[in-house]
Amino acid sequence: GQQLNQSPQSMFIQEGEDVSMNCTSSSIFNTWLWYKQDPGEGPVLLIALYKAGELTSNGRLTAQFGITRKDSFLNISASIPSDVGIYFCAGYGSGNTGKLIFGQGTTLQVKP
Amino acid sequence: DTAVSQTPKYLVTQMGNDKSIKCEQNLGHDTMYWYKQDSKKFLKIMFSYNNKELIINETVPNRFSPKSPDKAHLNLHINSLELGDSAVYFCASSQDLAFSYNEQFFGPGTRLTVL
Repeated sequence: GQQLNQSPQSMFIQEGEDVSMNCTSSSIFNTWLWYKQDPGEGPVLLIALYKAGELTSNGRLTAQFGITRKDSFLNISASIPSDVGIYFCAGYGSGNTGKLIFGQGTTLQVKP
Repeated sequence: DTAVSQTPKYLVTQMGNDKSIKCEQNLGHDTMYWYKQDSKKFLKIMFSYNNKELIINETVPNRFSPKSPDKAHLNLHINSLELGDSAVYFCASSQDLAFSYNEQFFGPGTRLTVL
C-alpha cells in the first residue's frame, strides 16, 4: 500500500534555531496534512495543503506541497520550548479511499 | 468545549476481558474514525464510519467491533483482549468524505494496557 517516509526521525535543537522536516512517497498524494502531538494528547492539525506547489504559513510554521505531489516539508522558524512534540505528516493518496496515511513522525526536542 | 472526546482516558485490564471505549464529537461532522498508535508512535487507521455506515475496515481482528448509534458517536468494543492490543486508541472526525479536503480532528486518546 501507499507509504509516507518522514525524516528525520528525531531532532534535538537549541531554542531559537530553525527546524526542517520532510515527507516523501513513491506515489502521488492529493492532500498533505501536518499534525503535532504533545505527550498524552491527540494529534492537532497545524497546516493543510491541497494543491501541488502550495506554500502555506501558520505563524512560525511554513509547509509546502511538492510540485511532484510526492513530497512535503514543514519548517519551524525560531524554535521555542513549547515546540517540543512529535510532528506527523499525513496524506490522502490516490484512489479516493478516504484513508489518511501517516508518516512515522519526527520527535522534536528543544533545549532552552 | 471539547470537539472530540473519548472515555476513558486510561484503561487497564486483564487478558481475555471485554472492554469498550466511547467517542463523541460535537463538530457536526458526518465521518468518524478509530486509529491505533503503537509503542513506536505509528498511527494506523482501523475503521471509519460515515453517517453510521462502515466505510473503512482495515484488516482488524474480528474481536474489534465499532458501533455508531448516531453520527456524533463511534464506540469501539474489544472482545477477548490480548497483550498485543495494548496501545493508544484515537478517535477522530471529519466533515464528510470529500476526500481531497478532509481535515481530521483527533480526540485525546485512550491508553489501553492489557496485563
